[in-house]
Amino acid sequence: DQQVKQNSPSLSVQEGRISILNCDYTNSMFDYFLWYKKYPAEGPTFLISISSIKDKNEDGRFTVFLNKSAKHLSLHIVPSQPGDSAVYFCAASVASGTYKYIFGTGTRLKVLA
Amino acid sequence: DTAVSQTPKYLVTQMGNDKSIKCEQNLGHDTMYWYKQDSKKFLKIMFSYNNKELIINETVPNRFSPKSPDKAHLNLHINSLELGDSAVYFCASSQGQGGYGYTFGSGTRLTVV
Repeated sequence: DQQVKQNSPSLSVQEGRISILNCDYTNSMFDYFLWYKKYPAEGPTFLISISSIKDKNEDGRFTVFLNKSAKHLSLHIVPSQPGDSAVYFCAASVASGTYKYIFGTGTRLKVLA
Repeated sequence: DTAVSQTPKYLVTQMGNDKSIKCEQNLGHDTMYWYKQDSKKFLKIMFSYNNKELIINETVPNRFSPKSPDKAHLNLHINSLELGDSAVYFCASSQGQGGYGYTFGSGTRLTVV
């Protein structure tokens, strides 16, 4: 039962353009979402979060959008840089008690110079 | 200075053996986790400890036993290793219940032959 899905295993984007990574979830109880970035042979690193009381959160070049009715979130990276090439995971949790994040399977982003 | 460190980074062992993976965090966090990333790239939570108390225990074979001697350490002992245990195991920590996400270690790649 895959509650968090990233249907695009990979994405290639030209440097300077926008990267859009998508994530869908099935559990309507989820109300807190994170994006992580992972380089090879390293652990995932936290990128940006969003709570269900918001529909957008921005941090520098990274913006996360949440569409609760569609159970969909997306991560926008503008402008994309070669150093952004990594695997991006979205994760979701119910925001009560201990947060037990359910992760998607990741999208590999390649930013072409 | 590594925030969440795991040892060993790689572990190759034969079926039936018993092995341990160690994790230490120097962030002063009070909650630690073990996640398993399988061959399909799913990152799934296994255990969580808060101040040495087990708070999350997912459906994991009882051959897996976590131990937390103090809140900075969370070790994972695996008995009678099986081929299906081959995966990358990530340790993570958070302050409180994870509302600001986790800090992950770089992972331990376990290969059972």
